Amino acid sequence: GNSVTQMEGPVTLSEEAFLTINCTYTATGYPSLFWYVQYPGEGLQLLLKATKADDKGSNKGFEATYRKETTSFHLEKGSVQVSDSAVYFCALNFGNEKLTFGTGTRLTIIP
Amino acid sequence: GAVVSQHPSRVICKSGTSVKIECRSLDFQATTMFWYRQFPKKSLMLMATSNEGSKATYEQGVEKDKFLINHASLTLSTLTVTSAHPEDSSFYICSARALNSYEQYFGPGTRLTVT
Repeated sequence: GNSVTQMEGPVTLSEEAFLTINCTYTATGYPSLFWYVQYPGEGLQLLLKATKADDKGSNKGFEATYRKETTSFHLEKGSVQVSDSAVYFCALNFGNEKLTFGTGTRLTIIP
Repeated sequence: GAVVSQHPSRVICKSGTSVKIECRSLDFQATTMFWYRQFPKKSLMLMATSNEGSKATYEQGVEKDKFLINHASLTLSTLTVTSAHPEDSSFYICSARALNSYEQYFGPGTRLTVT
């Protein structure tokens, strides 16, 4: 079946540091890939997505590129802020099927 | 953008009672709604998928008689936790998807505590 493997957290960085959160997937075919963010006490918000190979999703300074060769969709940001502290989930699906989530990575940014 | 609300945001109930959680799509018609459960520091576990006007499809291991899901209109789905027990305490999150759309929009979640 489909699965998503995420970098285990928690991840703690200083403000303005470079962020990478690794995500790889296993699926038959080419799924759509997503990053969701969950702020404390809230539900999930879509951060960015990519629907085909080599697509780059970007939002709020975050980027992720769909790499079919390495079946990866790593999340990056050049300079993190305290307000980026949250839990980040990588996910995939096919068309209108259910989302398969990774286990989530808790990110804490310290001033 | 598409907005999904949940009510209540927090609920505390006594063991053995039932509690209903509502999920509403505020500005679009949600033909499909999903219910997830999230354990502390864990990922989301899909409990069931509901399509408007039909019975929900439950994931393996989820008791359909305990977690009753109703999707009677295009803007409302409800999850009722029947005869709740402390182990049902969790964060319940719904999401909604419009017809011919691939994107799910998530509600803010409901924190259920069973004492």
